[in-house]
Amino acid sequence: DTAVSQTPKYLVTQMGNDKSIKCEQNLGHDTMYWYKQDSKKFLKIMFSYNNKELIINETVPNRFSPKSPDKAHLNLHINSLELGDSAVYFCASSQEALRKLFFGSGTQLSVL
Amino acid sequence: AQSVTQLGSHVSVSEGALVLLRCNYSSSVPPYLFWYVQYPNQGLQLLLKYTSAATLVKGINGFEAEFKKSETSFHLTKPSAHMSDAAEYFCAVSDNQGGKLIFGQGTELSVKP
Repeated sequence: DTAVSQTPKYLVTQMGNDKSIKCEQNLGHDTMYWYKQDSKKFLKIMFSYNNKELIINETVPNRFSPKSPDKAHLNLHINSLELGDSAVYFCASSQEALRKLFFGSGTQLSVL
Repeated sequence: AQSVTQLGSHVSVSEGALVLLRCNYSSSVPPYLFWYVQYPNQGLQLLLKYTSAATLVKGINGFEAEFKKSETSFHLTKPSAHMSDAAEYFCAVSDNQGGKLIFGQGTELSVKP
């Protein structure tokens, strides 16, 4: 069983569209994250949820809205997609005390 | 504010040679430090972490790193490179608040036969 799974793996869409990326973890972790990796492989945190509560919200446009229906899921919805949103988005989870992040395999978003 | 600097965006070594990937950090509080590896088209996986216990940390796949407070460094080493070590390596720092990791810009390791 995959520990952190995210879908879809690839997402190609037109500018202006709305899209969602789903993430699920079966590790029983309390905390989940979204990271963005740009074309230069730079990784930056976007959001973090702990037990469904938002605890980290970096400077991210309002077009990005995370939603955590339960502590095993953290979805990312993006409105009005722009060319600059093209990147690989990684979901991750951790148990606070262990402070080790488990990453999903990424969603490559291409906005045309 | 915390930050991480990885010296060298690309390192190339021969198979069997020493691997040395450099990482320097900046932190106003005692840091937690990590090395992650990313293989092509995959997510990151933890190699090792420093959390204020022993300064020499051993990780998976024969890698180790030494925390040097006086030099604010956390360099990653492996005595003998293997072809399968070719990947992108990321150093990261955490202030233990909310589990937020600050990543360096990554170092691509190439291993020549």
